[in-house]
Amino acid sequence: GEDVEQSLFLSVREGDSSVINCTYTDSSSTYLYWYKQEPGAGLQLLTYIFSNMDMKQDQRLTVLLNKKDKHLSLRIADTQTGDSAIYFCAERTSYDKVIFGPGTSLSVIP
Amino acid sequence: EAGVVQSPRYKIIEKKQPVAFWCNPISGHNTLYWYRQNLGQGPELLIRYENEEAVDDSQLPKDRFSAERLKGVDSTLKIQPAELGDSAVYLCASSHPDSYNEQFFGPGTRLTVL
Repeated sequence: GEDVEQSLFLSVREGDSSVINCTYTDSSSTYLYWYKQEPGAGLQLLTYIFSNMDMKQDQRLTVLLNKKDKHLSLRIADTQTGDSAIYFCAERTSYDKVIFGPGTSLSVIP
Repeated sequence: EAGVVQSPRYKIIEKKQPVAFWCNPISGHNTLYWYRQNLGQGPELLIRYENEEAVDDSQLPKDRFSAERLKGVDSTLKIQPAELGDSAVYLCASSHPDSYNEQFFGPGTRLTVL
């Protein structure tokens, strides 16, 4: 079945760039998403990319999509302590279901 | 604009008891989702509504879980009877037909079954 995988933890120093990686299995995915979840809160959509694109930039966020390798990444430039959260990668499958990864916990060290 | 409202925020019950969660989506959002999020995992879809119609309930354990969205606005998710393995955060989300790709999530209900 469809699966989305992510590394579970990432630690970076404040001011550095963070790169969170994700792999997915459905080669027919239509959209791929990055969500952020802060403690005790629901998920917040950060950005998404259509499957025929290979890059999308939105202020400090850069999304790279390698469709051949089914690999998605999220780069956060100039990471701040407020960026500490869990980041979820998700894919919209060919039958219109959104599948979430397990989340990557980002810790930003001041 | 108010966000997705869920209640209660926390619920502790003993196994075999019933429990219900309530969700009020953002006004105008015709699509409503219920997800379950186990500790350390991403959300898993339980059921999706388009207005009052359940269009995807393939992952809803129908022996003990039920959901309704009678007037196509707010929704209730029920578990009866609850089991220890049902302990999780139950998230509700909604989306607008013009913003199909953006699901707005509520804060969730954290259920603990003892």
